[in-house]
Amino acid sequence: DGGITQSPKYLFRKEGQNVTLSCEQNLNHDAMYWYRQDPGQGLRLIYYSQIVNDFQKGDIAEGYSVSREKKESFPLTVTSAQKNPTAFYLCASGPGVSNQPQHFGDGTRLSIL
Amino acid sequence: KQEVTQIPAALSVPEGENLVLNCSFTDSAIYNLQWFRQDPGKGLTSLLLIQSSQREQTSGRLNASLDKSSGRSTLYIAASQPGDSATYLCAGGGNKLTFGTGTQLKVEL
Repeated sequence: DGGITQSPKYLFRKEGQNVTLSCEQNLNHDAMYWYRQDPGQGLRLIYYSQIVNDFQKGDIAEGYSVSREKKESFPLTVTSAQKNPTAFYLCASGPGVSNQPQHFGDGTRLSIL
Repeated sequence: KQEVTQIPAALSVPEGENLVLNCSFTDSAIYNLQWFRQDPGKGLTSLLLIQSSQREQTSGRLNASLDKSSGRSTLYIAASQPGDSATYLCAGGGNKLTFGTGTQLKVEL
């Protein structure tokens, strides 16, 4: 089945530690996105990539980094500079044309130890 | 900057009732309007996408409308079922989406 796979489902971070969230898609989509969801808030865009080897900051990029070395993969690193990382992180992909919907993974829940 | 608001934040209805969820946005130059469903602890499932040139879209018991002049979209759910219980989010934009905070729907037996 085609879809988006996020791993791990749950992740714990220690103080001063960087952690990486995985996102893989087999939908042959050009564009990929990372969102953060906090309780009672909508999704906020962290980073997005419309093509391999290119990515753009979203609304809340500080403390996060990404790479897009392969079309299928768009990992997100939560760095120690992100002081409030506890949230639900969602990865999405889309064909890169605005009249087609984005498809979402099942998310990674990140907590602080 | 586009802002998207959804009211009410939570809604509880008896099974079989027809209901309307509301979404408002500040920039009438919105490109597309999408409605998503989110089950607890899960990702989002796309329900309907209304392009800026369209006024409504239908899928089964769902109908979404878009009125750009008033900055509003509605999601109509006919004959609600307990399986419809979820959080419904609307989002506006093109490749970059701005999301509302969602309406948490509970359909009771």
